[in-house]
Amino acid sequence: EIVLTQSPGTLSLSPGERATLSCRASQSVSNSYLAWYQHKPGQPPRLLIYAASSRATGIPDRFSGSGSGTDFTLTISRLEPEDFAMYFCQQYGGSPPITFGQGTRLEIK
Amino acid sequence: EVQLLESGGGLVQPGGSLRLSCAASGFTFSNSAMRWVRQAPGKGLEWVSSINGPGDDTYYADSVKGRFTISRDNSKNTLYLQMSSLRAEDTAVYYCTKIFLSYYIDVWGKGTTVSVSS
Repeated sequence: EIVLTQSPGTLSLSPGERATLSCRASQSVSNSYLAWYQHKPGQPPRLLIYAASSRATGIPDRFSGSGSGTDFTLTISRLEPEDFAMYFCQQYGGSPPITFGQGTRLEIK
Repeated sequence: EVQLLESGGGLVQPGGSLRLSCAASGFTFSNSAMRWVRQAPGKGLEWVSSINGPGDDTYYADSVKGRFTISRDNSKNTLYLQMSSLRAEDTAVYYCTKIFLSYYIDVWGKGTTVSVSS
């Protein structure tokens, strides 16, 4: 099983600041099959980034993804009030085929 | 609008059964592979099961294999998860999801809560 470890567990920042979230895999993620999701209370999760660096439809360009192999990063260039939420990563490959990170909570400082 | 709406959750005793349903709208359901994903209280997300568009190819997590059955009725645009021999560790919010590009999830339902307790 490919275990995804996200850090930090909680990130406290102010609107306008830059957020950098990490997702580290216990084994190399094949073909960079890595996605990032945003999850707000009472709402379904939303796909932000797929294939490590491709933005999903309708996602603002302040969200960007990077990385390969075992280290991946989600960057939010300038935080907007609506960006404070839980973020989690997901990989495809291995057995089980899909695993998720435990999440990073992005909170307002 | 693309939408997934789960139903069927509730409180059930250990060893009991429950069937979850997911009504899909806004996209061509029969062409879309689907997944169930769950999140236990205080835990991360866990993949449960997947099914292809025609419904003839299914996959299960080891934790539910032999106890859960995924199925779909493309004429009704509905996905199902039949759960039996339920255990306390099956307690979770269950999300119906649509698979994107074979590897990711681009649509999530709001989830339905299953509680297994005596």
